[in-house]
Amino acid sequence: QVQLQESGPGLVKPSETLSLTCTVSGGSISSYYWSWIRQPPGKGLEWIGHIYYSGSTNYNPSLKSRVTISVDTSKNQFSLKLSSVTAADTAVYYCARFEKYSCSARNCQYYMDVWGKGTTVTVSS
Amino acid sequence: QSVLTQPPSVSGAPGQRVTISCTGSSSNIGAGYDVHWYQQLPGTAPKLLIYGNSNRPSGVPDRFSGSKSGTSVSLAITGLQADDEADYYCQSYDSSLSGWVFGGGTKLTVL
Repeated sequence: QVQLQESGPGLVKPSETLSLTCTVSGGSISSYYWSWIRQPPGKGLEWIGHIYYSGSTNYNPSLKSRVTISVDTSKNQFSLKLSSVTAADTAVYYCARFEKYSCSARNCQYYMDVWGKGTTVTVSS
Repeated sequence: QSVLTQPPSVSGAPGQRVTISCTGSSSNIGAGYDVHWYQQLPGTAPKLLIYGNSNRPSGVPDRFSGSKSGTSVSLAITGLQADDEADYYCQSYDSSLSGWVFGGGTKLTVL
């Protein structure tokens, strides 16, 4: 069965760029959408954005100016870059498979069915 | 402030039934976008519990059920067990925000 594993630095300095990678195992990254979600300490979940295996992306408008999500199908990985980080970006970052399960003429519906364990990123000097 | 509103906490005794509401608006639930529910046990990643308002993924006990009415959805848990104690989040799409949104989460305490 598909498993996801986040990796990357656990400590990032303010104003620098946070970089994380999610490795997909037990299945192919192709034909699916893949997302990043974060959870600040003691708070709720926030969708950051997602990417289709072909490379098309969709970002949270509140983070769009700082976020880049990319995919490397040869490595079965997708990545997150968040620039100009501040203490407010301190969170557990999760990657998840974003499953499309139905489409109408107007839109498609998605849910997150497989999640990584999450990785804690602290922004501090 | 989340666009999907959940009660911060609910509680119930073992064996009882509890419900968790998720209230939205005409730009998300009321617009026909489906709602999904996730269970987050302490110190772990969220797990998909209900998708498409009322569908259970394989492996999720039928003690968990979802329903929708207008701009609100509800998660019901029957036969409450100690290991149901967790945070529960609803999630949908919001056309005004042009993105996927989560409710603020509800902490379930089993008394």
